[in-house]
Amino acid sequence: GAVVSQHPSRVICKSGTSVKIECRSLDFQATTMFWYRQFPKQSLMLMATSNEGSKATYEQGVEKDKFLINHASLTLSTLTVTSAHPEDSSFYICSARPPDTNTEAFFGQGTRLTVV
Amino acid sequence: LAKTTQPISMDSYEGQEVNITCSHNNIATNDYITWYQQFPSQGPRFIIQGYKTKVTNEVASLFIPADRKSSTLSLPRVSLSDTAVYYCLVGGYILTGGGNKLTFGTGTQLKVEL
Repeated sequence: GAVVSQHPSRVICKSGTSVKIECRSLDFQATTMFWYRQFPKQSLMLMATSNEGSKATYEQGVEKDKFLINHASLTLSTLTVTSAHPEDSSFYICSARPPDTNTEAFFGQGTRLTVV
Repeated sequence: LAKTTQPISMDSYEGQEVNITCSHNNIATNDYITWYQQFPSQGPRFIIQGYKTKVTNEVASLFIPADRKSSTLSLPRVSLSDTAVYYCLVGGYILTGGGNKLTFGTGTQLKVEL
């Protein structure tokens, strides 16, 4: 089946620095990708919809200037957490589905971000 | 998207059949029902999707009554490795299209013991 890959799988950064997370669709082109955040023992919360070649659409309450999303190609979307703080520590997951086919959404393996 | 309600947790033993029911009273005519499985520190994995009656694949069955206001995920003969969180999602079939977002509910934590 289709594969979505995230990198890195885990990252530790100092407070105030920025971290970039990559999401790639390995064997299909994705005009749209989704970014989720998941805190311990909680469900996935949609942060934003990443659209290739245009601006991302953010969910209510998500700061677009803090969580920068770039979808520059049909196989790559990046999420940059800017000026990270300890409260940004979370599990970040991306998702994509092959277009124009009746298949399910595929999720990346997630990125564990720890801000110290 | 229709809101879903699931039990927070369930316990079972190896070899037993597990049925997880999800309520979705406000399901729309064109909504499909999809179940995902998530292990700790991993992204969700698709299990099964259906619209009505019964759907079966190699890992699970999905039972949907005529009114479609609920659905039941059935896992036959569970093993320890089935311990995970199971999410029920409801939305248009365009979930499988390209641009439609998925809204996750609280999920059901299934714990399988020896």
